[in-house]
Amino acid sequence: NAGVMQNPRHLVRRRGQEARLRCSPMKGHSHVYWYRQLPEEGLKFMVYLQKENIIDESGMPKERFSAEFPKEGPSILRIQQVVRGDSAAYFCASSPSGRYDEQFFGPGTRLTVL
Amino acid sequence: QQQVKQSPQSLIVQKGGISIINCAYENTAFDYFPWYQQFPGKGPALLIAIRPDVSEKKEGRFTISFNKSAKQFSLHIMDSQPGDSATYFCAAPGGTSGSRLTFGEGTQLTVNP
Repeated sequence: NAGVMQNPRHLVRRRGQEARLRCSPMKGHSHVYWYRQLPEEGLKFMVYLQKENIIDESGMPKERFSAEFPKEGPSILRIQQVVRGDSAAYFCASSPSGRYDEQFFGPGTRLTVL
Repeated sequence: QQQVKQSPQSLIVQKGGISIINCAYENTAFDYFPWYQQFPGKGPALLIAIRPDVSEKKEGRFTISFNKSAKQFSLHIMDSQPGDSATYFCAAPGGTSGSRLTFGEGTQLTVNP
């Protein structure tokens, strides 16, 4: 059973460009969480999605950030007009049920904004 | 909301020694307290977790001690090995339904050979 997959693993963007991060949950998992890890810091919750629904986006910056988890295909975290402060590791976790004790993390996407 | 405070920020121990990392939380509404291990360039991986119906849980060389009244829990790594060198995060459920995890700031553990 493949784990949570994220791509790309590394992404370099110039200021003002768009970044699209993808997360494919584990098979049978319909709940996806996105976390951001700034350098030398812990993980910070961004958004929790279930298929086609955003359940909790209270950790998401109000502007430039959006997330979706369509009926078919991976979950997408989209960052528009990136700035240097967006440079971080973005981790996706998936869960079969939405329970907090069943979150499995992917390897992350490391975003560098030049 | 949930707040989690972790200490120390970094820890250096000798091979064979005991590593102890502490965590304090605020919100007592939920009943699950995990520790995650993260190696450089990798995602966090669940190491061990405890529910507050017990005060201690042991899995191999890793033990969680839980103090419900003090709202604290700690990770003990016995017979620490160089391969244990990693960053360790404690976490606690948060949000209205507890579905999100709130993480501590992390402890960078170095085990010298």
